[in-house]
Amino acid sequence: ETGVTQSPTHLIKTRGQQVTLRCSSQSGHNTVSWYQQALGQGPQFIFQYYREEENGRGNFPPRFSGLQFPNYSSELNVNALELDDSALYLCASSRDSPMLGHEQYFGPGTRLTVT
Amino acid sequence: DAKTTQPNSMESNEEEPVHLPCNHSTISGTDYIHWYRQLPSQGPEYVIHGLTSNVNNRMASLAIAEDRKSSTLILHRATLRDAAVYYCILRDYGQNFVFGPGTRLSVLP
Repeated sequence: ETGVTQSPTHLIKTRGQQVTLRCSSQSGHNTVSWYQQALGQGPQFIFQYYREEENGRGNFPPRFSGLQFPNYSSELNVNALELDDSALYLCASSRDSPMLGHEQYFGPGTRLTVT
Repeated sequence: DAKTTQPNSMESNEEEPVHLPCNHSTISGTDYIHWYRQLPSQGPEYVIHGLTSNVNNRMASLAIAEDRKSSTLILHRATLRDAAVYYCILRDYGQNFVFGPGTRLSVLP
């Protein structure tokens, strides 16, 4: 069983630019959640996708957007990057319908640095 | 979102049991108690979850107080590989996971 994978591993962007992060779900999982983790803090929920529809969103502005594809892989897009967007971005997949699953399987994350 | 309180850090000796506490005095009747851990340079990893009864799995045990206002994650024999940040999370159906700062566990050889 293939685990959750994310790309790229590391990324450096300039303030004002746009970035796309990618996530491949674990085999058989239909739900993907994205989290932002600042240094020394716990992950913060950005949003969740279930069967290609956004299903739940945390306290993040609209410049954070996403997509889920028919194969359940997902993208996180961030426009107009700010310095505070520098963080580890984590993707997690789960098997069940939205918000009902207890186990989420996390990828290793993408480290984004905004300069 | 229901909140949890955990110590910032704890230390344990290798091969000894570890009891990681979590207080959640405002827990509602339908909140599940989840534990995840995050090893260095990795994403969080599911450990265990429960509602009212104590739970055991291959990784750990979860002891839930009778009034559900606190719980304890028990690692029966700590290994160096158990050094991680441990997150205690309350979650109701239909709600997203809300991670706090967690407890950083150090395991001494």
